[in-house]
Amino acid sequence: DIQMTQSPASLSASLGETVTIECRASEDIYNGLAWYQQKPGKSPQLLIYNANSLHTGVPSRFSGSGSGTQYSLKINSLQSEDVASYFCQQYYNYNTFGAGTKLELK
Amino acid sequence: EVQLVESGGGLVQPGRSMKLSCAASGFTFNNYDMAWVCQAPKKGLEWVATISYDGSSTYYRDSVKGRFTISRDNAKSTLYLQMDSLRSEDTATYYCARHYYDGPFGAWGQGASVTVSS
Repeated sequence: DIQMTQSPASLSASLGETVTIECRASEDIYNGLAWYQQKPGKSPQLLIYNANSLHTGVPSRFSGSGSGTQYSLKINSLQSEDVASYFCQQYYNYNTFGAGTKLELK
Repeated sequence: EVQLVESGGGLVQPGRSMKLSCAASGFTFNNYDMAWVCQAPKKGLEWVATISYDGSSTYYRDSVKGRFTISRDNAKSTLYLQMDSLRSEDTATYYCARHYYDGPFGAWGQGASVTVSS
């Protein structure tokens, strides 16, 4: 099974700041990587797929990058509505999620 | 508008069974692979099972193989999860999800809460 190690577990940032969340796969997942946002009490929403493709309707301040085993999600110019938990998911071989990153405002 | 609405959750004793349903609308259900994803209280997400668009193929995580069965009725645009021999560690919110191009999950339901406890 492919393991996904996500970091950091929690993050505190100021409005307007740029934040980066990372995921490392236990083996090459060939860009089969997605990022999700989950607000408290809500279901997850797809942000990024294929490592760097923005899902329909997602603001352009979100971006994804990476290859092989290393991937990252960047949020430019942090907004208050971005306070949420973020999860990565590999879908190259079945499906595995990272443990999540809880993003709060400083 | 894509809608996925789960039903059938609740409290169940260990060793008993429960069946979840997910009613889909707003898209052509039989064009998409579908899945169940769970989230234990204050924990992360775990994929549970996937079924192909025509129901011919199913896939499960190891911990539910032989206990859970995913199925679908394309005529009713409904996805199911039959959960047998339930354990306390199966306690979670179960989300119905639509696969996006055979990969990630592009649409999610609101979730159904399942509590396994005596």
